[in-house]
Amino acid sequence: EVQLVESGGGLVQPGGSLRLSCAASGFTFSSYWMSWVRQAPGKGLEWVANIKQDGSEKYYVDSVKGRFTISRDNAKNSLYLQMNSLRAEDTAVYYCARGGVFSGSCYYYWGQGTLVTVSS
Amino acid sequence: DIQMTQSPSSLSASVGDRVTITCQASQDISNYLNWYQQKPGKAPKLLIYDASNLETGVPSRFSGSGSGTDFTFTISSLQPEDIATYYCQQYDNLPDTFGQGTRLEIK
Repeated sequence: EVQLVESGGGLVQPGGSLRLSCAASGFTFSSYWMSWVRQAPGKGLEWVANIKQDGSEKYYVDSVKGRFTISRDNAKNSLYLQMNSLRAEDTAVYYCARGGVFSGSCYYYWGQGTLVTVSS
Repeated sequence: DIQMTQSPSSLSASVGDRVTITCQASQDISNYLNWYQQKPGKAPKLLIYDASNLETGVPSRFSGSGSGTDFTFTISSLQPEDIATYYCQQYDNLPDTFGQGTRLEIK
């Protein structure tokens, strides 16, 4: 059974940093694109970033470029999102999602999400 | 960025009804479109990929169609467990973008 378990969310002040983690199991992690997708409270879904199987390609939505870094550790079956210079508008539930083998853009499996709140 | 416009934004229907949601892209996206279901407090779930392909394990009452800029998602006979918000998502060009969602309620 595919499982994705996010952690690392919490309350942080504007300008602060947070590192999210996603522990994957039930599939060969190194074979799939992985993504982060977020959802602000009461709002819709927004793709944040994705990363290729070997980490050689990474893509970001414009609003987080230069502030967020996606990474993965295939030996640990883990996905990460380093978030710096956080803003109030980054407040959201952050989901880890598994893509496909050839594309990161079909989100076949999702974690339960971790809430990030940016507030003073 | 490609804008995805869903309609309606909310919908109330009775059990057994046929329900249709539309999604319009701001430019041609071929068939690079997915549909997701999100129940309250839960993560989204993939239902339809590549505009018309049913994901494994998804009931056959769900279907999708369309290509280019206009797409349709249909529930052939609404069930109580279908109460959720439904999102379309394009992946023709990065950034992947989602529609604003359609909230489905039971009458």
